[in-house]
Amino acid sequence: DTGVSQDPRHKITKRGQNVTFRCDPISEHNRLYWYRQTLGQGPEFLTYFQNEAQLEKSRLLSDRFSAERPKGSFSTLEIQRTEQGDSAMYLCASSWTGGGNTIYFGEGSWLTVV
Amino acid sequence: AQTVTQSQPEMSVQEAETVTLSCTYDTSESDYYLFWYKQPPSRQMILVIRQEAYKQQNATENRFSVNFQKAAKSFSLKISDSQLGDAAMYFCAYRSRPQGGSEKLVFGKGTKLTVNP
Repeated sequence: DTGVSQDPRHKITKRGQNVTFRCDPISEHNRLYWYRQTLGQGPEFLTYFQNEAQLEKSRLLSDRFSAERPKGSFSTLEIQRTEQGDSAMYLCASSWTGGGNTIYFGEGSWLTVV
Repeated sequence: AQTVTQSQPEMSVQEAETVTLSCTYDTSESDYYLFWYKQPPSRQMILVIRQEAYKQQNATENRFSVNFQKAAKSFSLKISDSQLGDAAMYFCAYRSRPQGGSEKLVFGKGTKLTVNP
């Protein structure tokens, strides 16, 4: 059973550029979550999907951020016109509604905006 | 909105000793989940232990146990027989029960645990 996979693991980009992160959840998991974590802080919720439907979005998810899960499997998180304040680790997680509600995390994608 | 507070930014323990990490939370809900997650340096976050609020019995997982005080909204983690591999950031997290509650985890700021040989 492979875990939650995220790609790329590290990304350095110039301010103003667009970046996209991909997340592959555990294969049978129908729920997928995105969190953001800055240094010295706990993860903050961004959004979550059940199958392909985006059911909840945080106010942290500004209009420069968009997430999709088109076929209910992998998900992408795109950040447009990146700003230095977007520098953080973006964590993906997944769970199964019948699995005791345990959420499993990936290793994260580090974004540095220069 | 729910909040989670971890008042100990850093803790240290001697190998083989016992350490307790503190967590308090604020909620108006009566049914929810509480979790402790461990995040080693540059590695993924893994679940250590979970507690359902409706259960009075404290959860245990091998060397890890919790002291869940619902009325006081307190959820501490006890690590017994500490090992070098226990060194990590530990995050306390809250989650509403489904059926109308938010699915998101609300995390505290974490406690960095150092284990001294």
